Amino acid sequence: NAGVTQTPKFQVLKTGQSMTLQCAQDMNHNSMYWYRQDPGMGLRLIYYSASEGTTDKGEVPNGYNVSRLNKREFSLRLESAAPSQTSVYFCASSEAPRVTQYFGPGTRLTVL
Amino acid sequence: RKEVEQDPGPFNVPEGATVAFNCTYSNSASQSFFWYRQDCRKEPKLLMSVYSSGNEDGRFTAQLNRASQYISLLIRDSKLSDSATYLCVVNGGYSGAGSYQLTFGKGTKLSVIP
Repeated sequence: NAGVTQTPKFQVLKTGQSMTLQCAQDMNHNSMYWYRQDPGMGLRLIYYSASEGTTDKGEVPNGYNVSRLNKREFSLRLESAAPSQTSVYFCASSEAPRVTQYFGPGTRLTVL
Repeated sequence: RKEVEQDPGPFNVPEGATVAFNCTYSNSASQSFFWYRQDCRKEPKLLMSVYSSGNEDGRFTAQLNRASQYISLLIRDSKLSDSATYLCVVNGGYSGAGSYQLTFGKGTKLSVIP
């Protein structure tokens, strides 16, 4: 089991560029999540997907879109990157109704 | 009052010492609680779940005090490998459709020194 995988691991963008962060899990979990982590801010939920076909906004959704492609995959898209989106992005999954979340290794994104 | 509060530290302790962290939460309806560990530049990983009055796993003991709305993590006989940031995580309850919202504290940094 690979658990939760994320690609890419590192990315540098220029302001206004777009990109998609990919996440996949092989644990047959129903729920998946996208977080960002900034120094001094802790983990903040961007979007989550309770189950295949559903997505909901979290605490900081502005500037992002998500797609739950199937049960395994949950992608995060930045349509027009801004320097404020420089962060480390973590994908996580959990098996409903259990709440323990398992995290991917993260994507370190820098927007210049 | 912030939802989940932790002392950011750092806590610098010698090997073999006992160290304790506290975490307070504001939502009295919170149903479950966790400690995650995060190593530098790595993802958070579950350390312990705390569901009722507390539990113990080897050198680690987690306690829950619902009346005062705090949880604690005690680490005995600290090892160099315990150096990490410890995140307090609180489940505020069911948010619908099988998903549970978790609120993460900002973490307490621990450095165990030789």
